[in-house]
Amino acid sequence: GIQVEQSPPDLILQEGANSTLRCNFSDSVNNLQWFHQNPWGQLINLFYIPSGTKQNGRLSATTVATERYSLLYISSSQTTDSGVYFCAVINNNDMRFGAGTRLTVKP
Amino acid sequence: SAVISQKPSRDICQRGTSLTIQCQVDSQVTMMFWYRQQPGQSLTLIATANQGSEATYESGFVIDKFPISRPNLTFSTLTVSNMSPEDSSIYLCSIGQGLNYGYTFGSGTRLTVV
Repeated sequence: GIQVEQSPPDLILQEGANSTLRCNFSDSVNNLQWFHQNPWGQLINLFYIPSGTKQNGRLSATTVATERYSLLYISSSQTTDSGVYFCAVINNNDMRFGAGTRLTVKP
Repeated sequence: SAVISQKPSRDICQRGTSLTIQCQVDSQVTMMFWYRQQPGQSLTLIATANQGSEATYESGFVIDKFPISRPNLTFSTLTVSNMSPEDSSIYLCSIGQGLNYGYTFGSGTRLTVV
């Protein structure tokens, strides 16, 4: 099956800093999503992004499908951004998750 | 997009017992899935819940341990049977809403087996 690799596994930032999270995948996919899992375990959908670039406030994402990677940008980070960020790829209704990036934003 | 209601949100259960988790969607959806997230790990697909037929299980998951029902297009249940401490995880249901909307997850059930 498709392999999904996320980097870095852990990231510690000072409030206000910017960061880039990366997701590599091993094969062509129909789609890709970025999720944020908050400390209570809830998965929040951030972006549904098979290709191109999308922005939502301080967050933006870019997927380059031909090169099999996606990037999630967080600008001006806040403590509420802390949690685990997951990349998930979808191929023929089969969704596979990466291992996640655990982000800690310190005040 | 559709709204998913999952319950219970958390439970502490005795080993050897069973727990049934419910997932209710506010609109009809074709695709419904159940995931497990073990402590500190990523999400793993347990099975696809098929309406009107037996669920399709992933490798490593069996119907006797994780029976799933899907009586209609808005509701599904997952039962964790004969629980052991190794079953302590977050269990999440998910729906697929087509190529333009991606997948949405319920709020999860945090299960602790003692």
